[in-house]
Amino acid sequence: EAQVTQNPRYLITVTGKKLTVTCSQNMNHEYMSWYRQDPGLGLRQIYYSMNVEVTDKGDVPEGYKVSRKEKRNFPLILESPSPNQTSLYFCASSPRQGSSYNEQFFGPGTRLTVL
Amino acid sequence: AQSVAQPEDQVNVAEGNPLTVKCTYSVSGNPYLFWYVQYPNRGLQFLLKYITGDNLVKGSYGFEAEFNKSQTSFHLKKPSALVSDSALYFCAVRDGGATNKLIFGTGTLLAVQP
Repeated sequence: EAQVTQNPRYLITVTGKKLTVTCSQNMNHEYMSWYRQDPGLGLRQIYYSMNVEVTDKGDVPEGYKVSRKEKRNFPLILESPSPNQTSLYFCASSPRQGSSYNEQFFGPGTRLTVL
Repeated sequence: AQSVAQPEDQVNVAEGNPLTVKCTYSVSGNPYLFWYVQYPNRGLQFLLKYITGDNLVKGSYGFEAEFNKSQTSFHLKKPSALVSDSALYFCAVRDGGATNKLIFGTGTLLAVQP
């Protein structure tokens, strides 16, 4: 089954404790992206990746890191989480960016709470 | 800058009645518009998209959307609502340029009463 998977689905942590949220897709998509969803704000892009070893900042990158060492994986790293990073996070992927009308496929989401 | 607006936080409709969820957009250039649905504790699911061509776009689960260039709108519609359609609906526009970013509206909660 074609899908985007994220782990963990739920995470409660404390301020300053490094964490990683994994994202994997099995559709051989070049493009991957992370979004955060907050009430009243919709979804906002954190980072994106056009392909392996190619990443760039989205609208709200502060406090986050990403890497793209393999095509299928795009982990989101919070080096020192803070309470304002409490949010619902979504990973998404889509085929080659040149086909600009392709829809993005979303993972199930990770609900993160930082105490 | 590209943007979308969903003017209604919530839409209430009785089962069997037609529904409309509103979306307006602001883009430079050709708009690439999308509708996604989010069920409780689930990720976003793609419903439909407008790229070019017919102004009436048909999508999943009986939904359709009408693109209106003069009114810069892309309203989501369904002729007969189901209780199972109750969910959070997001309109999005693809950002121009290299990022392939989707710019989302704030979402509209659709509540279908039995």
